[in-house]
Amino acid sequence: TQLLEQSPQFLSIQEGENLTVYCNSSSVFSSLQWYRQEPGEGPVLLVTVVTGGEVKKLKRLTFQFGDARKDSSLHITAAQPGDTGLYLCAGIYGNNRLAFGKGNQVVVIP
Amino acid sequence: DAMVIQNPRYQVTQFGKPVTLSCSQTLNHNVMYWYQQKSSQAPKLLFHYYDKDFNNEADTPDNFQSRRPNTSFCFLDIRSPGLGDAAMYLCATSSQGGRGIQETQYFGPGTRLLVL
Repeated sequence: TQLLEQSPQFLSIQEGENLTVYCNSSSVFSSLQWYRQEPGEGPVLLVTVVTGGEVKKLKRLTFQFGDARKDSSLHITAAQPGDTGLYLCAGIYGNNRLAFGKGNQVVVIP
Repeated sequence: DAMVIQNPRYQVTQFGKPVTLSCSQTLNHNVMYWYQQKSSQAPKLLFHYYDKDFNNEADTPDNFQSRRPNTSFCFLDIRSPGLGDAAMYLCATSSQGGRGIQETQYFGPGTRLLVL
């Protein structure tokens, strides 16, 4: 069983602040994805990281894949209320199977 | 513009009464997945179809079955729903030119199942 631990489970911040959430595993993944899920909707892919040490930026979101390909982080700069959501990390293993973490629930207060 | 469509969005059933959830896609993807997501839990893969090949996860209960009559449609059948089966059920699709190649999975909005 592939297990991913996400921390913190819940984070509430003021608009304009920065935040970082983490995804950790004891397993090595060929690649890792981050999704955002809003209430009553399915997850939407934000990014895929493939290479150990890789950093990808998506506007104010910065994603980093650990050197050992076991962990990842998501940093949001100057958070906006529209960033509110559940951020799920998922490790890719086997034949395009996804193992999800429980998610980081982020609430940005205007 | 809808790509992965799930119907209904909300489903209420009775304990032990069979229920079917449906998923359709306009992407012509050859792989379709069903996930179960319970409250405050990670989405859990139940099974997937690679074309017509059915791939069941080892820990998926026998109570859960699936059918894929054609490329566009996939169904999740719960033969005898229990209270513990109340969850959001997510359908996803991906296009794989060959096994082992990582492709984006596109998720539908999910069907929330309530068991009374």
